[in-house]
Amino acid sequence: GAVVSQHPSRVICKSGTSVKIECRSLDFQATTMFWYRQFPKKSLMLMATSNEGSKATYEQGVEKDKFLINHASLTLSTLTVTSAHPEDSSFYICSASWIAGFKTQYFGPGTRLLVL
Amino acid sequence: AQKITQTQPGMFVQEKEAVTLDCTYDTSDPSYGLFWYKQPSSGEMIFLIYQGSYDQQNATEGRYSLNFQKARKSANLVISASQLGDSAMYFCAMRPGRNQGGKLIFGQGTELSVKP
Repeated sequence: GAVVSQHPSRVICKSGTSVKIECRSLDFQATTMFWYRQFPKKSLMLMATSNEGSKATYEQGVEKDKFLINHASLTLSTLTVTSAHPEDSSFYICSASWIAGFKTQYFGPGTRLLVL
Repeated sequence: AQKITQTQPGMFVQEKEAVTLDCTYDTSDPSYGLFWYKQPSSGEMIFLIYQGSYDQQNATEGRYSLNFQKARKSANLVISASQLGDSAMYFCAMRPGRNQGGKLIFGQGTELSVKP
């Protein structure tokens, strides 16, 4: 299957700092990437959908200025958590697809963010 | 409203026995896709099986089969011959419609524990 990587896998930061998470499709060109957030023992909640070269589409309730998403190339999307606070601590997972309506998305391994 | 419901927060099964994980969905779109993912404690999302709304036959992938009952709007996952490595969280997901960017809506998840 297709491979998606995320970096870093874990990050601890101080409150007020910004954190950037990278999502890369390693062996295919991802026209669409998705960012999800997951709390312990809870479901995945879609945060935003990004298409290469265009602005991300955010889900209702997700702060655009808080969670900056960039999809500058067909193999890389980034999520920047700006001015992080402890409540932003969570598991962030990206997924990628080469066609928006394709059979499945391929998920990255996730990034655990802890804001102190 | 588009929604996925998994009513079993936790399930136990004896090793080598079969287990069924329930999933019901709600959508008014005639075209949709249904997915099952496995999430072990490491956090990665592992794609298990896919069922398209127009597929005539139930999907099967090795020990996994999807019991698709369209009229009841249910898409239960059947795991045959359970193994200890099957212990994980299992998520049912739906990709609604053709024009919704391919995003996935996830259910609450079911935590499966396989007993030796």
